[in-house]
Amino acid sequence: DTAVSQTPKYLVTQMGNDKSIKCEQNLGHDTMYWYKQDSKKFLKIMFSYNNKELIINETVPNRFSPKSPDKAHLNLHINSLELGDSAVYFCASSAGLAVPFFGPGTRLTVL
Amino acid sequence: EDQVTQSPEALRLQEGESSSLNCSYTVSGLRGLFWYRQDPGKGPEFLFTLYSAGEEKEKERLKATLTKKESFLHITAPKPEDSATYLCAVQAEGGKLIFGQGTELSVKP
Repeated sequence: DTAVSQTPKYLVTQMGNDKSIKCEQNLGHDTMYWYKQDSKKFLKIMFSYNNKELIINETVPNRFSPKSPDKAHLNLHINSLELGDSAVYFCASSAGLAVPFFGPGTRLTVL
Repeated sequence: EDQVTQSPEALRLQEGESSSLNCSYTVSGLRGLFWYRQDPGKGPEFLFTLYSAGEEKEKERLKATLTKKESFLHITAPKPEDSATYLCAVQAEGGKLIFGQGTELSVKP
């Protein structure tokens, strides 16, 4: 199936831990994104990469670090997790500025 | 500041009862307006893109329209399977999408 995939789907961890979320797309897109959806279902962009280069970096704590090893992958590493980081994180991809397609999401719960 | 506001926050309809969802926006240079559907526990699913005032797009029971200040998603004779959260977003500089808070639609048989 051609799609945007994320792993894991659920992530439960303790405060202070470091965790990573992986994203892969096989749509041949050159642009990838990370969005955060809070408890009120409000989606907000965090980062955007185009051809492995960071092009959008919203006001996000330095504890969040995206890494793009190639055009098809964009991973999100989070250091020193806090309670407020609990949310659903969505990866998305697009062909340039065309419509972004979203992955299934990763529900992060910080205890 | 770029902003998107959707109304109502929640909408309950009987099957077959047509209605409209509203998306008001302010953006410096609209590059595109997107409608997505999101089911519980899933990612947003793309529905429509509108680029200029006066443009309309249709898909089954859904029709999206665009003016200079707002967009409407018209739902004609909805069915229970149309129940979902509908998200509106405008595309700003760099390609980032600015989302509204969504309208949660519930269609009862």
